[in-house]
Order: sequence, then structure tokens, then C-alpha cells
Amino acid sequence: GIQVEQSPPDLILQEGANSTLRCNFSDSVNNLQWFHQNPWGQLINLFYIPSGTKQNGRLSATTVATERYSLLYISSSQTTDSGVYFCAVMNYPKLIFGTGTRLQVFP
Amino acid sequence: DAGVIQSPRHEVTEMGQEVTLRCKPISGHDYLFWYRQTMMRGLELLIYFNNNVPIDDSGMPEDRFSAKMPNASFSTLKIQPSEPRDSAVYFCATQGGRGPSYEQYFGPGTRLTVT
Repeated sequence: GIQVEQSPPDLILQEGANSTLRCNFSDSVNNLQWFHQNPWGQLINLFYIPSGTKQNGRLSATTVATERYSLLYISSSQTTDSGVYFCAVMNYPKLIFGTGTRLQVFP
Repeated sequence: DAGVIQSPRHEVTEMGQEVTLRCKPISGHDYLFWYRQTMMRGLELLIYFNNNVPIDDSGMPEDRFSAKMPNASFSTLKIQPSEPRDSAVYFCATQGGRGPSYEQYFGPGTRLTVT
């Protein structure tokens, strides 16, 4: 089955710093989503991005489907960005989740 | 839309008791998924429905688990009898339309603790 790997596993930042999270997947996909799991456990949709680049405020994402990776950029990080970031690819109809990147942002 | 609604948000029960988790999907979404999240196994799909019909329950861990979707507005996941290893966060997610090109949206989850 499709393997999804995320890096780094843990990231500690000071408020205001920028970061890049990476997601590698082992096979071609036509659906990739990024989620933020906040400290209360809720899974928040960030991006649906099977290819190309999207931006939403301080967050942006790029997927290069031909090279089987996706990147999530967080600029000017805030303490509210803390939590776990998951990428998930669809092996229809199942979403296959990566193991996540745990981000901690300190003031 | 209020999004995917799950209840209860937290459930603490004793081993051997029956547990019922509930989900109200986003209106108009015809796919509904039940996932479980644990530290050891991460997020894994248990079962999914399309138009209220169970399509694939191969992820259901054992016969103690059952799921129903009696109508387009409601689904339940039942564990009977519950065991401590069932402790996890259970998510319901829904998707509008067929095929891989649609987003899945997750409910807030039910945190289950079995003592």
C-alpha cells in the first residue's frame, strides 16, 4: 500500500519564526490533504492540494505530484499554530495518514 | 453548515459495558467514515458508508464493534462489550461525492476511556 512519511517528527520554534514541513508519499495520488490537529484533538482541514500551490494567510502548501512530495510552509509562526500537522493521501476511498509533525511554538 | 457533529465528546466507561458513539454528517455528504486514533497505530479507518450502506468494514477490529447508518443524518458506532484496549479517539468524517477528488471533513472526535 501507499506509504506516507513526514518530516521532521518534531519541531520547536519561537514565535515569529518560519518553518517547512515535508510529506513524501510512495505512489502517485490524486488527493492530498493537510490537517492541523490542535491541542484539543480536533482535526482542522488546512489544504486540499493534489498538485500545485495554494496559500491561506500565513500558511501555504505546494505539492509536486510527479516527485511525490508535498510541503507545508508556516510563516511568522504563532503559539496558536502549535499541535500536530498531518498530511494524508487518498487510497480511494481511504485516507492514508502520515505519522505527523509535532510543532511547538513558544512566545 | 455546523460541520460534522459527534457525541459524546468524552466517554468514560468500565470494561464490559456497551458504548455507543454518534455522528451527524454534513448535510448532502453521501460518504461517511469512522476512524480511530491511537498512539500506537495513528489514524486508521474502521468502516465507511455510501448512501447509508456499509461498503467496507475490513478495518473493524473484531466482532465487538458494529456500525449502522439508519438514515442520511445519523450514524452510530457501538462497542459491546468494551475493553481497555478500545481506549482511543474515534472520529467520524464525511465526504461529498464520489471518487478521490473530494475533501474529507472530520468531526471533533469522541475520546473513549475504558477502565
